Amino acid sequence: QSALTQPASVSGSPGQSITISCTGSSTNIGAYNYVSWYQQHPGKAPKLLIYDVSLRPSGVSNRFSGSKSGNTASLHISGLQAEDEADYYCSSYTIGTTPSVFGPGTKVTVL
Amino acid sequence: EVQLVESGGGLVQPGRSLRLSCAASGFTFDDYAMHWVRQIPGKGLEWVSGISWNGGITAYADTVKGRFTISRDNAKNSLSLQMDSLRADDMALYFCAKDVQQELEEYAFDIWGQGTMVTVSS
Repeated sequence: QSALTQPASVSGSPGQSITISCTGSSTNIGAYNYVSWYQQHPGKAPKLLIYDVSLRPSGVSNRFSGSKSGNTASLHISGLQAEDEADYYCSSYTIGTTPSVFGPGTKVTVL
Repeated sequence: EVQLVESGGGLVQPGRSLRLSCAASGFTFDDYAMHWVRQIPGKGLEWVSGISWNGGITAYADTVKGRFTISRDNAKNSLSLQMDSLRADDMALYFCAKDVQQELEEYAFDIWGQGTMVTVSS
């Protein structure tokens, strides 16, 4: 059981915007601005989309953005495209004996 | 080209050992912390272990602490994971991943290998 909670699935039509939430606690998301988001297509390695809550690595589309409020972080995807259909994982630095945890993942379906 | 290539996976009996390796290329290896992340096929990601740029600081998930040892050889641009006392629940695809910075602080992984599969079975 992960310390972070994500919806199992989110869907949207092409061109729409969706938001994936990642809820933690004061010992992880609420404690630091060290939240990351990853996209993983089937059979592929994860890809970093967002780190430090809202920073986007070079080469990542600006359709992806991140935010945080309290113990909940969010990934926003605008202008949904067919290629965005994938699994999305949040991750956070955590106070405690295991310093990094992932959320259970959210499957995004483009209708 | 920035690349991480894992090796060393395979079939191992419960209680035995296995050593994974990760060869890095295309970036200044000793400028970054490195990590191992695993994934049971069809399931989610689990961070396993991390090591700072110079090997001075290491960290482990509670699930592997005391059984796994992470190390790096900056002269050879290589990362390793020594896995002892393997259990059935260690069976997974193991990814090598590069951190965005030198120290174990942000735990953000911007470059990933393709993974090496570890199967634990008698």
